[in-house]
Formats: sequence, structure tokens, C-alpha cells
Amino acid sequence: GIQVEQSPPDLILQEGANSTLRCNFSDSVNNLQWFHQNPWGQLINLFYIPSGTKQNGRLSATTVATERYSLLYISSSQTTDSGVYFCAVAFNAGNMLTFGGGTRLMVKP
Amino acid sequence: ETGVTQSPTHLIKTRGQQVTLRCSSQSGHNTVSWYQQALGQGPQFIFQYYREEENGRGNFPPRFSGLQFPNYSSELNVNALELDDSALYLCASSLGLAGTEQYFGPGTRLTVT
Repeated sequence: GIQVEQSPPDLILQEGANSTLRCNFSDSVNNLQWFHQNPWGQLINLFYIPSGTKQNGRLSATTVATERYSLLYISSSQTTDSGVYFCAVAFNAGNMLTFGGGTRLMVKP
Repeated sequence: ETGVTQSPTHLIKTRGQQVTLRCSSQSGHNTVSWYQQALGQGPQFIFQYYREEENGRGNFPPRFSGLQFPNYSSELNVNALELDDSALYLCASSLGLAGTEQYFGPGTRLTVT
């Protein structure tokens, strides 16, 4: 079946450090999104990136669709970056998202 | 531009009861998808509605049903509640179908006792 795997599952950083989160997927995608879930459960859109590279402030993302992976880079991490980061992909015309298991990030001051 | 809203925020129900959750899509969006997120897991797709028609369904039993209204708002109904239905229920809206970005509401946290 469809598989979306995220690594690492847990990550602890010191404030100011950089990190790379990875998302591997098992088939061609027509949608790939990165989300940050805050402590209240709200999924915040970070990137819509089925292919290519995008940057938004300290965050950037790259999806290499032909090799079926995506990377989320966080530079100069801040305590407010803490939370769970999800990668979600859609493999069909219905745009039904399949989520990875998430990466739980804790940034220590 | 109004974002995705959901109601209620929290809900406590007893096993065997029925529940209705509501979602208002982002302005201009005609597609609504519902997801269930159990504690410590990623969201799982329940079903999707496009222009008032069900457009796909995940691996959920028929006691999970839904509706989409002409203004594209949506309801999720769950009958015969079970303890395992306790979860965060998330609604997402998008414009169109294939490959479009989805935007999520704040969720409804359902507790079944």
C-alpha cells in the first residue's frame, strides 16, 4: 500500500542549531505538503511542494519527485519551532492526503 | 479571507451515542476533507466531498457519514460511538481536486466515555 515515512521520529536541538527532516514516499505524487502541528492541534501549512525547492524565512523545503523524497530544513531554530512536523502526500486525483508518522521536535533554550 | 472553522471545539459523548461535527470551508473552496487523528499518530483520511458529492473514502466503517451543503460547508456524523472514536477530528478545505493545497481547521476534540 501507500507508504509515507518520516525521519527522525524525534529530534532535540539547542536553540540556534540547524536541522533536516526527511520524508520518503512510495509512489508518484501530485501533492506534497509540510505542516507544523502546534500544541493545540492546529496544522499550520509550511509548504506546498510536490516538486522543486521553496524557502520561507528560516525554513526551506526540497522535493525530488523522481527519487521520492522531500526534505524540510530548519535553520537557526527557535523554541517556538517545537512541535510535530508532518509530511503529507496525495497519490491520486482525489487529493486525499496520506500523512507520515511525524517528527517530534523539541528546541531547548 | 476567512479560514477553515470547526465546531464545537471539544465534545464529550457516551459510548453508543451519535455525534455531529461541523466545518466551514475557506472562502472560495469547494472541496472538504475530513481526517481523524488519534493521540500520538498522524491524521488519517476519512472521506472527501467535492461539490456536495462524496469523492473518496478511507478505511472507516459506514457509521462514519458526511454531508456537504451548497455553501460547501460540511458535517461529519458518527453513529454508535465507540471508545476508539476518541480523537481529534480535522477538516480541510481546498479548491478543486487533484494536487491542490489543503488548509486545515483547528479541529474538534472528541472524547467518548
